Amino acid sequence: EVQLVETGGGLVQPGRSLKLSCVASGFTFNNYWMSWTRQAPGKGLEWVASITNSGGSTYYPDSVKGRFTISRDNAQNTLYLQMNSLRSEDTATYYCTRRPPLFDYWGQGVMVTVSS
Amino acid sequence: DVVMTQTPVSLSVSLGGQVSISCRSSQSLVHNNGNTYLSWYLQKPGQSPQLLIYKVSNRFSGISDRFSGSGSGTDFTLKISRVEPDDLGVYYCGQGTQYPPTFGSGTKLEIK
Repeated sequence: EVQLVETGGGLVQPGRSLKLSCVASGFTFNNYWMSWTRQAPGKGLEWVASITNSGGSTYYPDSVKGRFTISRDNAQNTLYLQMNSLRSEDTATYYCTRRPPLFDYWGQGVMVTVSS
Repeated sequence: DVVMTQTPVSLSVSLGGQVSISCRSSQSLVHNNGNTYLSWYLQKPGQSPQLLIYKVSNRFSGISDRFSGSGSGTDFTLKISRVEPDDLGVYYCGQGTQYPPTFGSGTKLEIK
């Protein structure tokens, strides 16, 4: 059974940093591209970042480019999202998602609140 | 970016009934490789989204044949037949043909 378990969310002040983690199980992690996708409270879905299976290439939308960094540790079956210079508009539930842009499996999500 | 427009915003259906949700893209979703990367997701209340349909009409693993997808180019439809209580939630379409991947704003399905 594919499982994606996110951790690391919380309340953070504007301008500060936060790092999310996602531990994957139930599949061969290093065979798949991975992504982060977010959902602001009461809003729709927004793709945040993708990374190739080797970690050699990463992709971001303009809204987070230069502030967020996606990475992975294939030995630990773990995906990361380093978020810097956080803004109020980054407040959302962040989902770890497999196989972009299909997004075939989603984690349970972790809430990030950016507020002073 | 490709804009995905879903209609209606919400709909109400009786158990056992049938509904259709429309999704229109601002550009053709036909990829250079000939595939059309249009997917449908369901987010049940309090849960994460789950993949229902991919590449327009392919049901994901474990998805009931009550769900069917159709369409081409820029116009797509999700049909749900014999609606059950567990079908309620918000349905999203999403495209993966062009980066960045984008999603529709959702259609909320309520059971009468």
